[in-house]
Amino acid sequence: ETGVTQSPTHLIKTRGQQVTLRCSSQSGHNTVSWYQQALGQGPQFIFQYYREEENGRGNFPPRFSGLQFPNYSSELNVNALELDDSALYLCASSPRVMNTEAFFGQGTRLTVV
Amino acid sequence: DQQVKQNSPSLSVQEGRISILNCDYTNSMFDYFLWYKKYPAEGPTFLISISSIKDKNEDGRFTVFLNKSAKHLSLHIVPSQPGDSAVYFCAASGNRDDKIIFGKGTRLHILP
Repeated sequence: ETGVTQSPTHLIKTRGQQVTLRCSSQSGHNTVSWYQQALGQGPQFIFQYYREEENGRGNFPPRFSGLQFPNYSSELNVNALELDDSALYLCASSPRVMNTEAFFGQGTRLTVV
Repeated sequence: DQQVKQNSPSLSVQEGRISILNCDYTNSMFDYFLWYKKYPAEGPTFLISISSIKDKNEDGRFTVFLNKSAKHLSLHIVPSQPGDSAVYFCAASGNRDDKIIFGKGTRLHILP
């Protein structure tokens, strides 16, 4: 059974640029959620995708967008990067929408300079 | 507006003793509570959960207690082992909810 994998593991971008982060969900999981974890904070919900449709969204601006593909893998796109976007971005997959036992990837550490 | 609060940023416990991590929540609509453990450079790992219809759930060395009237839950680890040193996140979700709400975490140090 393959776990949740994210790529890349680390990334440095310049303010104003755009970034795409990728996530492969665990086998058999059709729901993917993205979280942002700033330093010293707990993960904060960005949005969730279920069967290729956005299923819910947290308090993040529209420049945070996503996709889910037919194989349930997912992308997180962030446009017009700001310094405060520097964080660990976590992807979590679960076998159903209710997130009762979401499984997380190792995260992508994004640094915006 | 912190809906899930972990008021102790860190906790040190002697190896072999009991570790008790506490968590408070404000949203009475939460009906599922989870604990995650996180090592540096890794994603959070699911540890144990409890439904709001229960007041206790046990899994090996880990027990979670839920006090709904006080909106409080705790994670007990006994006996504590060196490998338990990590950051522990308390988290909650509502029925039919799309998201998990996390606390800020408590860093647990197990002392030799």
